[in-house]
Amino acid sequence: QQPVQSPQAVILREGEDAVINCSSSKALYSVHWYRQKHGEAPVFLMILLKGGEQKGHDKISASFNEKKQQSSLYLTASQLSYSGTYFCGTGVTNDYKLSFGAGTTVTVRA
Amino acid sequence: GAVVSQHPSWVICKSGTSVKIECRSLDFQATTMFWYRQFPKQSLMLMATSNEGSKATYEQGVEKDKFLINHASLTLSTLTVTSAHPEDSSFYICSAFWGTGYSPLHFGNGTRLTVT
Repeated sequence: QQPVQSPQAVILREGEDAVINCSSSKALYSVHWYRQKHGEAPVFLMILLKGGEQKGHDKISASFNEKKQQSSLYLTASQLSYSGTYFCGTGVTNDYKLSFGAGTTVTVRA
Repeated sequence: GAVVSQHPSWVICKSGTSVKIECRSLDFQATTMFWYRQFPKQSLMLMATSNEGSKATYEQGVEKDKFLINHASLTLSTLTVTSAHPEDSSFYICSAFWGTGYSPLHFGNGTRLTVT
């Protein structure tokens, strides 16, 4: 079953922050975050494994609350390059068979 | 970095014909590759898991005779859409990984299939 992502879309000005949420109805082993620009392949951002950890990549970070079966992606001081559709992919085991959320379209404007 | 090449990037075919899409891992060996289908503004839907040297595992609702998957080597998996129909028109994308734990999935650039 697909995880639920929210919001569906967000529009930001450069420098603003945003949070994207990903919730699952199943107990999770891992959460992956990817960003896809139109007509391109999804690009890896980060993976979080169960253990309630938080990771960061430049000014993009994420947390994983396995008890709540949800993960959040934080975009801090957004840049124009952050525009794209963000997908979370959830795995219930370590077999990499991920279920992807519907995506969150982020538009960053100057 | 790890690169996955997918070919062709787009194809237009007539109804009833078959189309083959290739997915290659260029600088790593991928024992497992995944095939997805993506409708406009929607998520990636896993179609099947392709394992080198063995039969692919299809997700529920995916016709294995319609979508033939062959994983001939550690760097190549192919998806053949047989007897294509307009409803098969979609964006098909593959991914591959090596390692475990924190290893990411590496995606191909996708193939836009249009069946007329």
